[in-house]
Amino acid sequence: GAVVSQHPSWVICKSGTSVKIECRSLDFQATTMFWYRQFPKQSLMLMATSNEGSKATYEQGVEKDKFLINHASLTLSTLTVTSAHPEDSSFYICSARGTSGSNYNEQFFGPGTRLTVL
Amino acid sequence: QKEVEQDPGPLSVPEGAIVSLNCTYSNSAFQYFMWYRQYSRKGPELLMYTYSSGNKEDGRFTAQVDKSSKYISLFIRDSQPSDSATYLCATGPYSGGGADGLTFGKGTHLIIQP
Repeated sequence: GAVVSQHPSWVICKSGTSVKIECRSLDFQATTMFWYRQFPKQSLMLMATSNEGSKATYEQGVEKDKFLINHASLTLSTLTVTSAHPEDSSFYICSARGTSGSNYNEQFFGPGTRLTVL
Repeated sequence: QKEVEQDPGPLSVPEGAIVSLNCTYSNSAFQYFMWYRQYSRKGPELLMYTYSSGNKEDGRFTAQVDKSSKYISLFIRDSQPSDSATYLCATGPYSGGGADGLTFGKGTHLIIQP
């Protein structure tokens, strides 16, 4: 089956520092990846849509200068939280959309990255 | 009004019971519907998806969509303690390139009592 990995699985950082999270599709190509955020006891909220080779599309209310997204290849998208603050502490989850065959149009989620900003 | 409404529960049922999980949505542009299962501190796992009204069955799981009433359901037969998790409904529109980012319900916390 389609597998999506995320790295790191958890990270603790000091306020003001930047954190990069990687999302990889391991056994399929994904021209489109999505980044979601989940606060405790809340649902997943779409932050942005990442398209390979082009700029990401951000949802309303998500600061594009704070959450930098790079989708440099068909298997890798990165989310960088710049100048992180405690309110950015959350569970960040990516998904990759299959482009062909039985994976077409399905979204496969990574295991998530728990970010804690002190 | 939130775009996807889902009762957060918890919903507690005895082992072997039939479980019914439900969501309503408000956006008529939503064209595909998915159910995910999420264990604590893990990412969501896709259970089922469908694009049309009606029923779709996969083993012990049945997904049901009624686009006219904007109502989606997931039924679990012969429920097992291992089914205890949070179940998230999700829906979204199509764009020219395919299925877009999902809008999730809040998730229903399901507990299957042995």
